[in-house]
This record gives sequence, structure tokens and C-alpha cells, in this order.
Amino acid sequence: QVTLRESGPALAKPTQTLTLTCTVSGFSLTTTGMCVSWIRQPPGKALEWLALIDWEDDKYYTTSLRNRLTISRDTSKNQVVLTMTNVDPADTATYYCAREGTNRQVLDVWGQGTVVTISS
Amino acid sequence: YVLTQPPSVSVAPGKTATITCGGNNIRSKSVHWFQQRPGQAPVLVIYYNGARPSGIPERFSGSNSGNTATLTISRVEAGDEADYYCQVWDTGSDHYVFGSGTTVTVL
Repeated sequence: QVTLRESGPALAKPTQTLTLTCTVSGFSLTTTGMCVSWIRQPPGKALEWLALIDWEDDKYYTTSLRNRLTISRDTSKNQVVLTMTNVDPADTATYYCAREGTNRQVLDVWGQGTVVTISS
Repeated sequence: YVLTQPPSVSVAPGKTATITCGGNNIRSKSVHWFQQRPGQAPVLVIYYNGARPSGIPERFSGSNSGNTATLTISRVEAGDEADYYCQVWDTGSDHYVFGSGTTVTVL
């Protein structure tokens, strides 16, 4: 069974660096075709894709946040990590990780999300 | 690349709900649809324009033509009340793109 689970701080202060972890099970991050994306959703707003890392460790970022985001992985721990620098209250959101599996470009399994509030 | 959805759709139980997703020449892309119930993570309900993941009722169907993709929910039930998002992969920018979302209300 494929599962993803997000973890990270519930609260961060403006200007801090936010680190979120996605722990996956039921598949390998290095299997051909496997990708993990981070998506966020501010309260009452739409989904916003942030970043993707693929099985070859190639990385893709949304243009608007490219300078603030870093996606990486630790294959030994089955984890994908997203760091966001210089956070702002506008970054308050539920953050999801999701898998793209054998069906290309299809986010077929999502984590339950982690809620992050940016406030001083 | 921008995907445009109507903010809301209202439908009576047992009737058909139609949710559109507009994008420039969207027919050239594969469109996927997600259902998101309040307080829950999104769930894939349609992929590759019209395919259904296992466990998704046949009442959910999709199509894609011209500049509009469509999600159709037949014989709507109270449990279908949710937000629905369309999504594509934009090869021009190597980005996932989500639509603005449509809230389906069952009257």
C-alpha cells in the first residue's frame, strides 16, 4: 500500500526557514517513473503546486517561489524534504506531498497534509 | 498556463453536475480531476481526461476537447458535495498547474 505522510512545525515565525518532510512507503523513490511533489493550499484557496523531485533526483520548481524553495531526498529514510526560506504570513497553508507513479503526470496518492501557520 | 473553472455549481440530487475547465488548446494536454471534501486531502477521480481510478464510481466521467475539459457527475449524491480541481502538466514550463477550483453544492 502506497502512503505518504507529511511532518513539520505547525508554527513558524516570519523570516524563518521552514523545513517539511514527506515520508513515503510502499514504493521506492529511485524506481523509474516515481516522483514526489509538494503542493500547498492556503485557507479557503486553491491548490498550488510548489516543487517536484523525480527518480533521477532531477528537481522542478514553481517559477514564483523558485528562489525560496529547495526540494531534496534521503533515499535511505524514504523521505522527501522541502525547505522554504524567509517565510511570510502569506505562506500559511496546508502543505501536501503527493506521488506521481507509473501513470505519468498523475498525482495518484496524496498525504493527509500538514498545517503550517506563519505568525510572529 | 492558466486553467479556469467556475467558482460554483449547484445541482439537485439525482441530477447531473457538469464542471468545466478552460485552457488554451487544452485538448493537447492530459487533464486530471481531483475531489476535495472539507478538511480532507484531494482524491484523484479522473485521470488522462476520462480514466477512472479503481474505487471511483462510474458516475464520474471526463472529456476533453478544444479549449475545455469537462468533469461530469451523473446521478449526483449528497456525498459528492466537495471542491473539484482540474490539473495538467504544462510541458512549456515543466510545471504542474491546478485550476481555480469549483465548489459543487447538492441542493
